[in-house]
Amino acid sequence: EAGVVQSPRYKIIEKKQPVAFWCNPISGHNTLYWYLQNLGQGPELLIRYENEEAVDDSQLPKDRFSAERLKGVDSTLKIQPAELGDSAVYLCASSLEAGGSNEQFFGPGTRLTVL
Amino acid sequence: AQSVTQPDIHITVSEGASLELRCNYSYGATPYLFWYVQSPGQGLQLLLKYFSGDTLVQGIKGFEAEFKRSQSSFNLRKPSVHWSDAAEYFCAVNGGYNKLIFGAGTRLAVHP
Repeated sequence: EAGVVQSPRYKIIEKKQPVAFWCNPISGHNTLYWYLQNLGQGPELLIRYENEEAVDDSQLPKDRFSAERLKGVDSTLKIQPAELGDSAVYLCASSLEAGGSNEQFFGPGTRLTVL
Repeated sequence: AQSVTQPDIHITVSEGASLELRCNYSYGATPYLFWYVQSPGQGLQLLLKYFSGDTLVQGIKGFEAEFKRSQSSFNLRKPSVHWSDAAEYFCAVNGGYNKLIFGAGTRLAVHP
């Protein structure tokens, strides 16, 4: 069974440029998460989807970040415009459902460098 | 507010030695607790989890963890470390609605 797929794995852009990350969750997983992991820190939740609905986006900086999960399968996270402080690893995870006992499976992440 | 503290940023052990990584949490109700491992360039892999019942839980790769409610701790242990265990380890608590709250991580180095 394929795991959570993310692309690209690495991205280098100049500040003020837009950037997008793509995530394909494990087949059948209804819940999808985007996490931000700064260097030397643990991941922090940005947004959680249940199917195509964003049910928790309280930590998403909505002035520059946006996300979508059309058709409730794969998802895209966008930053426009990127700032130097956005350099980090962006992790996608999925779980069967949203209950607390459901294991979250993580993708390898996209490492973003903003110059 | 829920939080997780991992007091040790870096730990170095010799191969074959025992290991204990500390984790303290702050959570009002009975927590769901997790330990994840992250190797360089890899996503997080679940080592073990605690929901209820036996406070000593067994995980993959020979790891175990003990939940101590009185100490708000969930320390990870391994009796004999292998060089391949070198990685970063994250403790996490489910902060409700499956929102994982992670500690800052402990980076483990293993000397041959």
